[in-house]
Amino acid sequence: GENVEQHPSTLSVQEGDSAVIKCTYSDSASNYFPWYKQELGKRPQLIIDIRSNVGEKKDQRIAVTLNKTAKHFSLHITETQPEDSAVYFCAARVGTNAGKSTFGDGTTLTVKP
Amino acid sequence: GAVVSQHPSRVICKSGTSVKIECRSLDFQATTMFWYRQFPKQSLMLMATSNEGSKATYEQGVEKDKFLINHASLTLSTLTVTSAHPEDSSFYICSARPGTEETQYFGPGTRLLVL
Repeated sequence: GENVEQHPSTLSVQEGDSAVIKCTYSDSASNYFPWYKQELGKRPQLIIDIRSNVGEKKDQRIAVTLNKTAKHFSLHITETQPEDSAVYFCAARVGTNAGKSTFGDGTTLTVKP
Repeated sequence: GAVVSQHPSRVICKSGTSVKIECRSLDFQATTMFWYRQFPKQSLMLMATSNEGSKATYEQGVEKDKFLINHASLTLSTLTVTSAHPEDSSFYICSARPGTEETQYFGPGTRLLVL
């Protein structure tokens, strides 16, 4: 089955700096890659996603890049703010909408003011 | 739009009792729902995938007789933890996916404590 590895497990940055979280996946048939943000005590929420036919996607301060050949994708957060502090999960899904997503182990991001 | 509710938010029960957790999609029809278990500071561990009107598909290592899942309608799935024991204490989160989307939307989770 699909295996998703996420690095780093913890990341601490100064406010205003950029943060990068990387994930690799094992199944080359994976075609959908969402990123979720989970604040303490709250539900995971989708922040950005990318499909396998796209190499990069940007939404304001957040961007995701995908390298299908290398089977890795990354989350980039620029101009970080304290409210960006949370746990971030990447995921990869094979096949259709009915398929399940495999999640990475999460990255705890701390943005120091 | 795309709101998922979960009830109860917190439950404390005695060892040996059964607990039912409900997951509802409030403003969309969810052809697929997922149940996860999350330990402190850890990732989301998928327990099972349920499709409306059919039996749930359980992940390896998850006891289907202990964690009963019912997806009786397009807006409701239930997880029943049968004969709960202290090691079942955890945070259980459901998610639901609209039939027309790739995105899954998470419920707020249920904190289960078995004494």
